[in-house]
Amino acid sequence: DAKTTQPTSMDCAEGRAANLPCNHSTISGNEYVYWYRQIHSQGPQYIIHGLKNNETNEMASLIITEDRKSSTLILPHATLRDTAVYYCIVTKSSNTGKLIFGQGTTLQVKP
Amino acid sequence: EAEVAQSPRYKITEKSQAVAFWCDPISGHATLYWYRQILGQGPELLVQFQDESVVDDSQLPKDRFSAERLKGVDSTLKIQPAELGDSAMYLCASRTHWGKVTDTQYFGPGTRLTVL
Repeated sequence: DAKTTQPTSMDCAEGRAANLPCNHSTISGNEYVYWYRQIHSQGPQYIIHGLKNNETNEMASLIITEDRKSSTLILPHATLRDTAVYYCIVTKSSNTGKLIFGQGTTLQVKP
Repeated sequence: EAEVAQSPRYKITEKSQAVAFWCDPISGHATLYWYRQILGQGPELLVQFQDESVVDDSQLPKDRFSAERLKGVDSTLKIQPAELGDSAMYLCASRTHWGKVTDTQYFGPGTRLTVL
């Protein structure tokens, strides 16, 4: 599975959009980009995933660059409850499904 | 909404004692995972089941850790004997089937283990 690089931490003002970047320059054609988040002392929570096209759901939007070497998770209107560690994970379509977590980005949403 | 259940939520034990954690996946989920998360790090896979069979246990310390899913539903992870370095959060996750690539994993709340 391709390695991902994320900033260690980010701040965001409440009500503003939070844009979390992820680099995955060694991604291969059959690898998906997944985003999970983990609120303090809870299990990770699935947010969104994509292959090539941009994706949107009720939680967030995922923007993947045309060369697929990086992506951005967008939380359109961050709230204090969005304070969490956000993990960007790249995994093969033929994978057994296991997720390889890195250190993630700690997002602090401030009032 | 269906959830992955885990118990206990917290466990404190002394070094060299045996501990066990239980996980009940979402109904109908054939694939079950156990992860370990050391404080400040991301979760790391310990073992994966497809129904009652182990698919991947390459990262499971087999000298002291064991896992079973006898009827292909709920699962137990055991540590015997516990060591100080085993202090961590133990997370269980499930998904419909690992072969369905666009399926997602759902995680339980975890068991926080402290070994004294």
